[in-house]
Amino acid sequence: GAGVSQSPSNKVTEKGKDVELRCDPISGHTALYWYRQSLGQGLEFLIYFQGNSAPDKSGLPSDRFSAERTGGSVSTLTIQRTQQEDSAVYLCASSLAGWGYTFGSGTRLTVV
Amino acid sequence: DQQVKQNSPSLSVQEGRISILNCDYTNSMFDYFLWYKKYPAEGPTFLISISSIKDKNEDGRFTVFLNKSAKHLSLHIVPSQPGDSAVYFCAAPYSGAGSYQLTFGKGTKLSVIP
Repeated sequence: GAGVSQSPSNKVTEKGKDVELRCDPISGHTALYWYRQSLGQGLEFLIYFQGNSAPDKSGLPSDRFSAERTGGSVSTLTIQRTQQEDSAVYLCASSLAGWGYTFGSGTRLTVV
Repeated sequence: DQQVKQNSPSLSVQEGRISILNCDYTNSMFDYFLWYKKYPAEGPTFLISISSIKDKNEDGRFTVFLNKSAKHLSLHIVPSQPGDSAVYFCAAPYSGAGSYQLTFGKGTKLSVIP
């Protein structure tokens, strides 16, 4: 597609439930990133995929968070047993090289 | 520990005047800086960058200045237009092992008043 597509755009979930957030990067972009922005905070790095290399998971805040990227394209971020502090906008970005990111519009997650 | 700091959460400027957005950093190893602009309900978009070998980079109405000794950079918008109203993030690459992750400031919300 023309840009990075994320779905859903909004998600409200009950505390303790699992959620899956999807990211469709720009076709041909080998690098894919997940960030999140909590209220009043900057963007916080979560995870980075580059081609077939092992992902950089150093930003994942707990083992409740996981992500995968299938076929070098679509990525899914999964949050298990959601907590209220997980409420944030989750942003996906892709790039062909370096820091030339293109961000998606994000998924606003609200845990109630 | 916030390595990139934007200490002004908001800024209001009259249309046509200069907007100056500031950013401070603590890691002297940072050698490249980026500014992103974000409208509500949209993802951030890249605006302008600067390498540490320069002290100024200009692109149309946008100029970024870098003061390495003070670990400070600023984004100047001249003249400011209502469409510039957005949240502006300063970012620097984290020199981790092969990862192109960025460290972002908390952002400054710019409001340009017509």
